Amino acid sequence: NAGVTQTPKFQVLKTGQSMTLQCAQDMNHNSMYWYRQDPGMGLRLIYYSASEGTTDKGEVPNGYNVSRLNKREFSLRLESAAPSQTSVYFCASSYRTKGDQPQHFGDGTRLSIL
Amino acid sequence: RKEVEQDPGPFNVPEGATVAFNCTYSNSASQSFFWYRQDCRKEPKLLMSVYSSGNEDGRFTAQLNRASQYISLLIRDSKLSDSATYLCVVNAYGGSQGNLIFGKGTKLSVKP
Repeated sequence: NAGVTQTPKFQVLKTGQSMTLQCAQDMNHNSMYWYRQDPGMGLRLIYYSASEGTTDKGEVPNGYNVSRLNKREFSLRLESAAPSQTSVYFCASSYRTKGDQPQHFGDGTRLSIL
Repeated sequence: RKEVEQDPGPFNVPEGATVAFNCTYSNSASQSFFWYRQDCRKEPKLLMSVYSSGNEDGRFTAQLNRASQYISLLIRDSKLSDSATYLCVVNAYGGSQGNLIFGKGTKLSVKP
């Protein structure tokens, strides 16, 4: 009963390095999301994918790229990490983006950029 | 006006107390409402959906006032395990917000 699985759970990068955060869900959901959460800022949407083959920008997309690899998997890439991207990253999924369905979250990736 | 506003707290209450959290939202077209719970250093988890007529789940009661664009969560007989941050969540139409907008949360600390 995995739900939403994120890897890695922790990562430390140097400024300028790149990395990809992985997310997979086994709930047969159509929509997937990437958020970041910073102290005092709440959850902010980075990118989302309403369905396989589509991606859209959220509130804070700059510095990130995403790939919806298939229905199950949605990855987030930092091409050139910056200290401002130090955060906790959550992946989530829902049946659809209509807004009438709750989102289910992975347990997060804690990313530090030095 | 922020899209979803919550009192950040913290609310410090003794075990057994009744505590209420409020949330206001700005988009009068919003149709779906949820309360999530987030424990320290954990992911947000759905606590309950909020229905127009109000709804109850054990010790938790959620109310919706569409006219005032106001949502509430009442916790009765607080337990130590209720200590967490409670997020008010509202759906949005269009824009760059995806399909749900999360409030910044209200922190609850239940003391023995």
